[in-house]
Amino acid sequence: GEKVEQHESTLSVREGDSAVINCTYTDTASSYFPWYKQEAGKSLHFVIDIRSNVDRKQSQRLIVLLDKKAKRFSLHITATQPEDSAIYFCAASRSNNRIFFGDGTQLVVKP
Amino acid sequence: DMKVTQMPRYLIKRMGENVLLECGQDMSHETMYWYRQDPGLGLQLIYISYDVDSNSEGDIPKGYRVSRKKREHFSLILDSAKTNQTSVYFCASSLDWGSYEQYFGPGTRLTVL
Repeated sequence: GEKVEQHESTLSVREGDSAVINCTYTDTASSYFPWYKQEAGKSLHFVIDIRSNVDRKQSQRLIVLLDKKAKRFSLHITATQPEDSAIYFCAASRSNNRIFFGDGTQLVVKP
Repeated sequence: DMKVTQMPRYLIKRMGENVLLECGQDMSHETMYWYRQDPGLGLQLIYISYDVDSNSEGDIPKGYRVSRKKREHFSLILDSAKTNQTSVYFCASSLDWGSYEQYFGPGTRLTVL
């Protein structure tokens, strides 16, 4: 099955800087790559996704890049704010609703 | 208001007791999921349900069973709970088989002593 790895288990940035979280996947048939955010003590919620027919997607301060050749994708958070502090999960899916999650990256935005 | 609910939010049980975790959604979503999350790990899929009485095993089904008799309800049952089933359990739903975005409930923290 698919294996998704998040390279950074923790990431600390200063408020206003950019944060980058990197993920790799193993299944070349994966075509959908969502990102979820989990704030302390809370549940996960969807933040952004990218499909394999594009290599870049932006939603306000969030940018997702996809490199299908390298089987790598990343989440860029620009102009970070304290409320961006959370655990971010990358995931990959090929079909039939099965989403495979990475282990999560704890992002800390320091004032 | 689109929502996934879970009951109870916190539960303490003794080893060998039976456990029932309930999940509800008000979005008429066809597909529902049960995951567990352990410290430092991502989510592991226990079961997926494609609709009423249409359930499939996920990656770690052993020790669990599910029941979906109504589209809006999906239950996770632990018969004779074990200490290694101590975890946070999340329920999620998605619109249908072809929809990828999942909506998560608030989670149930289960402790098995």
